[in-house]
Amino acid sequence: GQSLEQPSEVTAVEGAIVQINCTYQTSGFYGLSWYQQHDGGAPTFLSYNALDGLEETGRFSSFLSRSDSYGYLLLQELQMKDSASYFCAVRDWDSGNTPLVFGKGTRLSVIA
Amino acid sequence: EAGVAQSPRYKIIEKRQSVAFWCNPISGHATLYWYQQILGQGPKLLIQFQNNGVVDDSQLPKDRFSAERLKGVDSTLKIQPAKLEDSAVYLCASRINNEQFFGPGTRLTVL
Repeated sequence: GQSLEQPSEVTAVEGAIVQINCTYQTSGFYGLSWYQQHDGGAPTFLSYNALDGLEETGRFSSFLSRSDSYGYLLLQELQMKDSASYFCAVRDWDSGNTPLVFGKGTRLSVIA
Repeated sequence: EAGVAQSPRYKIIEKRQSVAFWCNPISGHATLYWYQQILGQGPKLLIQFQNNGVVDDSQLPKDRFSAERLKGVDSTLKIQPAKLEDSAVYLCASRINNEQFFGPGTRLTVL
């Protein structure tokens, strides 16, 4: 089976930097994704890491360490609109299929 | 490019009633997923289709849930009969490469 651990809540100040960590256990790791979900909205894709290292996309960066089964999402220059839930998700190799398994999510609150 | 369409957006039913949800994925996306998202949790995969074939339905409660994607395009998810614990948002998604595109979801309330 698979399991993912991420903090349930994080609060940060507008303009600051915040890091959301994710540790995972899976039998056949394929890649780590991050999704953002605003209240009442659908999850939207942020990033995907299959290899170790840092991927940067604008204000958002995502990091993966396969040897540590660990990744994080880094949000810079926080804006009020970044207040949302952030989910890490693993693509797991299972009998030729690669389903996406989501963590429980981290609720980010950006305050003035 | 149009996104993933779902209907209805909201549904309220009483327990033991039946309900059906509809999804039309992004054109050309062969892989389609149905997820259940309970409040405060991450989406949980119910079923995955590749074209019109089922790839993974290991977490689908088959005694009450069913899904089909007959022509490899749109899909329906049915619950019969519904239980109180089925109250959740049902999300449909389609995938291209490593990115999943989610529809707006159907919020189901079972009373």
